Amino acid sequence: GAVVSQHPSWVICKSGTSVKIECRSLDFQATTMFWYRQFPKQSLMLMATSNEGSKATYEQGVEKDKFLINHASLTLSTLTVTSAHPEDSSFYICSARSQGFVDIQYFGAGTRLSVL
Amino acid sequence: SQQGEEDPQALSIQEGENATMNCSYKTSINNLQWYRQNSGRGLVHLILIRSNEREKHSGRLRVTLDTSKKSSSLLITASRAADTASYFCASSPGGYQKVTFGIGTKLQVIP
Repeated sequence: GAVVSQHPSWVICKSGTSVKIECRSLDFQATTMFWYRQFPKQSLMLMATSNEGSKATYEQGVEKDKFLINHASLTLSTLTVTSAHPEDSSFYICSARSQGFVDIQYFGAGTRLSVL
Repeated sequence: SQQGEEDPQALSIQEGENATMNCSYKTSINNLQWYRQNSGRGLVHLILIRSNEREKHSGRLRVTLDTSKKSSSLLITASRAADTASYFCASSPGGYQKVTFGIGTKLQVIP
């Protein structure tokens, strides 16, 4: 159990376009979802915390208008990278925390974004 | 900034040997977790140890926690080539508070 699906796994886009990444909890309800960014050979950097039905909480230095997060249901959160630029190229990972056991995060497989 | 720091940052061992990774953290925690990440993939939860526990086992994994030193170690016994991955510790104040990941240890197990 506790499967998180992240889609797409890899996306290449032109500079200036927007990209939407979906994160779904398949077999549990996720009250909270997290979005991370990971640079090569580095740790995960928390971008924002997303709670169902409310506005996301962004970490310091993360542009809210650049990285739009929507958590419309207990099983789906989306991250939209707006007007993407080459410096936005990175590995984005989502995770979800279940209502029943808040200590463990279940991770999606990640999305590799390449902006040309 | 990352709270946890793993040591070593990279480790290369022969298959069958044991691998030990250490993690230090800075503030009080409710629990500490270890995750594994295969290259280009998401993280997989391995084990959670609570602040009132000193040692925990799960299969070939053994985790220790020393709250007085604010450190933890992950031991993988009888390593296999499939254990090749990056390993991250993640410290948490507990409850709904966010988890802070360390910088990770990249483990290579040579067949």
